[in-house]
Amino acid sequence: GENVEQHPSTLSVQEGDSAVIKCTYSDSASNYFPWYKQELGKGPQLIIDIRSNVGEKKDQRIAVTLNKTAKHFSLHITETQPEDSAVYFCAASMGGFKTIFGAGTRLFVKA
Amino acid sequence: EAEVAQSPRYKITEKSQAVAFWCDPISGHATLYWYRQILGQGPELLVQFQDESVVDDSQLPKDRFSAERLKGVDSTLKIQPAELGDSAMYLCASSWGGTANTEAFFGQGTRLTVV
Repeated sequence: GENVEQHPSTLSVQEGDSAVIKCTYSDSASNYFPWYKQELGKGPQLIIDIRSNVGEKKDQRIAVTLNKTAKHFSLHITETQPEDSAVYFCAASMGGFKTIFGAGTRLFVKA
Repeated sequence: EAEVAQSPRYKITEKSQAVAFWCDPISGHATLYWYRQILGQGPELLVQFQDESVVDDSQLPKDRFSAERLKGVDSTLKIQPAELGDSAMYLCASSWGGTANTEAFFGQGTRLTVV
């Protein structure tokens, strides 16, 4: 079955710097890769996603890249702000089925 | 803005008791998911519905857990009997469904504590 590994588990950056979180997946059949932000006591919130027919997608300060050959995908946050502090999860699925989440990255943005 | 509704937000129960969680997905969403999230870990899929049908319950501990979505709208997840190891956040999510509409939206979750 699918396995998703996420690194780092904790990331601390200075406000205004960039943050990068990386994930790898094992099943080449996976074709949908969402990223979620989870704040304390709340459910995960979808922030960006990418499908296997696209190499990169950007939405304001957030971007995601996908390397299908290497089975890697990454989340990039530029110009980080204190409100970006949260836990971020990557996930991989086959068209919305068999969704597997990574273990999460706790991001701290220091003001 | 449409949201996935879950209740209760918090539940404390004694081991061996029965407990139930309710979820109302975003209107029109055909796919409904139940996830379990242990503190410090990512969500783990328990069961996935397409309308009223179960399409994946491979990770659901069927000896004690059950889930239903009788009319293809809201859903109930039940645990009987509850065990100490069931303490976790139970999350419901929904999506329009189909391979092209996979964006899933989560509710606030139900925090279960088994004592």
